[in-house]
Amino acid sequence: EAGVAQSPRYKIIEKRQSVAFWCNPISGHATLYWYQQILGQGPKLLIQFQNNGVVDDSQLPKDRFSAERLKGVDSTLKIQPAKLEDSAVYLCASSRTGKTYNEQFFGPGTRLTVL
Amino acid sequence: DQQVKQNSPSLSVQEGRISILNCDYTNSMFDYFLWYKKYPAEGPTFLISISSIKDKNEDGRFTVFLNKSAKHLSLHIVPSQPGDSAVYFCAASADSGYSTLTFGKGTMLLVSP
Repeated sequence: EAGVAQSPRYKIIEKRQSVAFWCNPISGHATLYWYQQILGQGPKLLIQFQNNGVVDDSQLPKDRFSAERLKGVDSTLKIQPAKLEDSAVYLCASSRTGKTYNEQFFGPGTRLTVL
Repeated sequence: DQQVKQNSPSLSVQEGRISILNCDYTNSMFDYFLWYKKYPAEGPTFLISISSIKDKNEDGRFTVFLNKSAKHLSLHIVPSQPGDSAVYFCAASADSGYSTLTFGKGTMLLVSP
């Protein structure tokens, strides 16, 4: 079975620019997660979707970050405008359901550098 | 406020020996714990988990121990292999429906031949 796909793998932008990341979860997985991993830290959940509805976005900086999951499959995460502190790896994960005991499968991530 | 703490940024072990990675948590609502392994340029992959109703869970060379009173868990790898060299993340969840994972900062394990 194909894993979680993410693109692009790397992105370099200047501060105040906009950027978007794309994620294609494992087929049939209802739950999709976006995490931010800053260098030296563990992944931090930004937003969790159950099908195309938002379950948890309490840690998403909504003034600059937005995410959508149209049709309950693919998802995009956007940052507008970017700040230096947004430099991080953005990980997408999916699971069959949102229950904790269902393993989360992670994609390879997108490394964002904001100059 | 770090709710999941991995106080050792790195650990070096010789091949064949035991690796012990530690994790502490502060949130008493956490009742499900997981370990993830991450290689460079890849996403984390699930390794092993334990529910708070247990104090030990084994899967091959990997064993996780949970001490609820001390709010401490540990991952034992026996015997350690060079391919185990990776960053290991401890994660915890309060199982309340669609629960989310809180990760520690990770411990980099280096297993030398």
